[in-house]
Amino acid sequence: GDSVTQMEGPVTLSEEAFLTINCTYTATGYPSLFWYVQYPGEGLQLLLKATKADDKGSNKGFEATYRKETTSFHLEKGSVQVSDSAVYFCALMPGNTPLVFGKGTRLSVIA
Amino acid sequence: EAQVTQNPRYLITVTGKKLTVTCSQNMNHEYMSWYRQDPGLGLRQIYYSMNVEVTDKGDVPEGYKVSRKEKRNFPLILESPSPNQTSLYFCASTHYGGTGSRYGYTFGSGTRLTVV
Repeated sequence: GDSVTQMEGPVTLSEEAFLTINCTYTATGYPSLFWYVQYPGEGLQLLLKATKADDKGSNKGFEATYRKETTSFHLEKGSVQVSDSAVYFCALMPGNTPLVFGKGTRLSVIA
Repeated sequence: EAQVTQNPRYLITVTGKKLTVTCSQNMNHEYMSWYRQDPGLGLRQIYYSMNVEVTDKGDVPEGYKVSRKEKRNFPLILESPSPNQTSLYFCASTHYGGTGSRYGYTFGSGTRLTVV
């Protein structure tokens, strides 16, 4: 079945460090891919998305590129801030079926 | 403002006392879903609905009920709550069909339920 695997956390970085959170997927067909962010005490918010191969999603300095050849959608940010501390979820939507989530990666950024 | 509204945000209840968590969306979305979030287990789908009067089980439906009598509302019902249902619950919605895969889900703010 369809699945998402993302790197386990927690990830702890110093402010201004480079961030990569790996995400790979298994799916039939051509799923849409998403990154969601959950700040402490809040619900999930859509961070960025990509709907076809080679698309790059970007928002708030975060980027991810839909790589069909490696079935990956890694999240990157060049310089993290304390305010980026959150849990990040990679997810895929294989057509019209329910969203499939990874287990989440907790990021802590220290000043 | 387009949103998914869940109530209550926090709830403490006793084992066996029936409760309902409400979910309402104002975006005319066809698809609605309930998830629970537990440490180390990520988000697991409880039930979903593809339109009015159409509901189906997700990955962890035991102990829960849902109904979809109106398009905007999708309440989650725990007929006889137990401590293993202590969790953080999220409602989500999206357009069903091609547009859903482009926009993803909109999530509510969550309901933290404690069953003692």
